Amino acid sequence: SQQGEEDPQALSIQEGENATMNCSYKTSINNLQWYRQNSGRGLVHLILIRSNEREKHSGRLRVTLDTSKKSSSLLITASRAADTASYFCGRGNEKLTFGTGTRLTIIP
Amino acid sequence: NAGVTQTPKFQVLKTGQSMTLQCAQDMNHNSMYWYRQDPGMGLRLIYYSASEGTTDKGEVPNGYNVSRLNKREFSLRLESAAPSQTSVYFCASSPGLAGGPGDEQFFGPGTRLTVL
Repeated sequence: SQQGEEDPQALSIQEGENATMNCSYKTSINNLQWYRQNSGRGLVHLILIRSNEREKHSGRLRVTLDTSKKSSSLLITASRAADTASYFCGRGNEKLTFGTGTRLTIIP
Repeated sequence: NAGVTQTPKFQVLKTGQSMTLQCAQDMNHNSMYWYRQDPGMGLRLIYYSASEGTTDKGEVPNGYNVSRLNKREFSLRLESAAPSQTSVYFCASSPGLAGGPGDEQFFGPGTRLTVL
C-alpha cells in the first residue's frame, strides 16, 4: 500500500492569507497529484508533480515535492472564499491512493 | 464534451437488492476507475480498468463486480447490497497508458447510495 496522509485534517484561515497543506507517502512514486473537492462534488485535478520535479506552480498554487522525505506540500496564496473545499493528494503511479484530505475553510 | 457521467445520482436500496452503477466518458481515455468515499476514510479504489477488456481489483473489491463494456463505459455492480456499502461512489477516467507513470484523473459527479 502507498498510504500516507494529508495534514492538517482541517485548516481555517482568513481570506487573503496563505494556506499550506502537506501530504506524506510511504513508497516510491512516479508522480503525486493534488485535487480539490467542493462539498457534494467530484474531485477536480489541480496539479501533478513528477518525481524528478521539486517545485511546480499553477496560478496561486505552488506544489513542492521532497522525495527524500516522501512528502509534498500545497501552498495556496492570497486565499479566497471560493478556495473553501477539501484538498486531497493522490499518490502512486497508474493507481492512485488518497488520504482523508485537508478540509480548508476560508473566512471572509 | 460531457466528461465523465454517472447514473444514477442517488439510489436507496434494501439489504440484499442488486444494482448497477453506470459510468461513461467521452474523452477517449484508456483507464477508468471506481472509488468509494466514506466519512473519515477518504477515497478508496474499488476496481480499475487500465484498458478496454481488462479489469483489476483495487483496495476494497469485496462485494462488487465490474464490467468494462467498451472503451467508453465502466459499470459497477452490487450483487447483494449490504448496509456497509452505503457510500458515495465516484467513477474516474484518465488517458492512462498502461504501465505508464500515471496522469490526471477526471472524476464524475458521484452516486450517493444508501443501503437500508
